[in-house]
Amino acid sequence: GENVEQHPSTLSVQEGDSAVIKCTYSDSASNYFPWYKQELGKGPQLIIDIRSNVGEKKDQRIAVTLNKTAKHFSLHITETQPEDSAVYFCAASKGGYSTLTFGKGTMLLVSP
Amino acid sequence: GAGVSQSPSNKVTEKGKDVELRCDPISGHTALYWYRQRLGQGLEFLIYFQGNSAPDKSGLPSDRFSAERTGESVSTLTIQRTQQEDSAVYLCASSLGDSRRGEQYFGPGTRLTVT
Repeated sequence: GENVEQHPSTLSVQEGDSAVIKCTYSDSASNYFPWYKQELGKGPQLIIDIRSNVGEKKDQRIAVTLNKTAKHFSLHITETQPEDSAVYFCAASKGGYSTLTFGKGTMLLVSP
Repeated sequence: GAGVSQSPSNKVTEKGKDVELRCDPISGHTALYWYRQRLGQGLEFLIYFQGNSAPDKSGLPSDRFSAERTGESVSTLTIQRTQQEDSAVYLCASSLGDSRRGEQYFGPGTRLTVT
């Protein structure tokens, strides 16, 4: 089955800096890669996703890149703000009704 | 519109007791998923329902775990004879019945503590 590795497990940055979280996956058939943000005591919230037919997608301060050959994808957050502090999860699936396989999460702390 | 809702938000139970956790998916979403999240860990898939198809139970950790879904609406996850290692947050997600898409939307979870 699919295996998703995520790193770093924790990331501390100063407000205004950029943050990058990286994930690798094992199943070359995976074609859908979402990122979730989970704040304390809440369920994960989908923040951005990418499909295998594109290499990069951007939404305001967040962007995701995908390298299918190397089987890795990354989340980039620019101009970080304290409210970006949360746990971020990457995931992979074969799309459609397939279940998601999640990474173990990255705790991002943005200091003012 | 309304998101995925789950109840109860917190549940404390004694070891050996049975518990039922409820999930109300987003209206119109035909797919429903249950995940378990242990403290400080990622999400672990448990079971998945899609329309009238047989559920995918491949993630259930033992036969003490079971789930049902009524049509394309409410789902109940049941854990029998709870053990301390069952303590976790149980998350439900739903998604549209579109075979090309994959976005899953999560509820707030039920925090289960087994004493």
